[in-house]
Amino acid sequence: DIQMTQSPSTLSASVGDRVTITCRASQSISSWLAWYQLKPGTAPKLVIYKASTLQSGVPSRFSGSGSGTEFTLTISTLQPDDFATYYCQHYNSYPYTFGQGTKLEIK
Amino acid sequence: QVQLVQSGAEVKKPGASVKVSCKASGYTFISYDINWMRQATGQGLEWMGWMSPNSGSTGYAQTFQGRVTMTRDTSIGTAYMELSSLNSEDTAVYYCVRRAHGQAPDYWGQGTLVTVSS
Repeated sequence: DIQMTQSPSTLSASVGDRVTITCRASQSISSWLAWYQLKPGTAPKLVIYKASTLQSGVPSRFSGSGSGTEFTLTISTLQPDDFATYYCQHYNSYPYTFGQGTKLEIK
Repeated sequence: QVQLVQSGAEVKKPGASVKVSCKASGYTFISYDINWMRQATGQGLEWMGWMSPNSGSTGYAQTFQGRVTMTRDTSIGTAYMELSSLNSEDTAVYYCVRRAHGQAPDYWGQGTLVTVSS
């Protein structure tokens, strides 16, 4: 199975900050990587797919990059609505494993 | 609009089984696979398996092999996930998620809390 290692586990930031979350795969997954946003009480939301493609309706302050084994999710100017937990997931081959998650909290 | 509406919360005793439903609307049900994921309280997300509503083919994570069964009823556009031999570690929110072939899982259901307690 492909292991996904996500960091940091917690990130404290302020509105207006630029933040980056990293995800590493234990072997190459090409660009078959997605990022999800989770908030308590709501259905998880796809933010980025194919490593760098913004899902329809997601603000352009979100961006993704990387290929192979190293990936990043960047939020350019944090807004209050962005404080949530973010997970990366590969979909290169079954099983589709997730990173451990990054909780983005208000500083 | 695309919607996946899941059945309500369940409380089960250890050793019992649970069956969660996921009703799809707003798209052609048989054109997208259904993946199931779960999140235990305070834990991360875990992929459980997939099902093709078109063919009924399934694939399960090794962790759940022998305990999980994913099925569908195409006449009502509904997918099901049944998990047996429940224990306390199965207490979690279970999600169904739509996935097109070659694409990322995109639309998620609202989640179903399954609590396993004696």
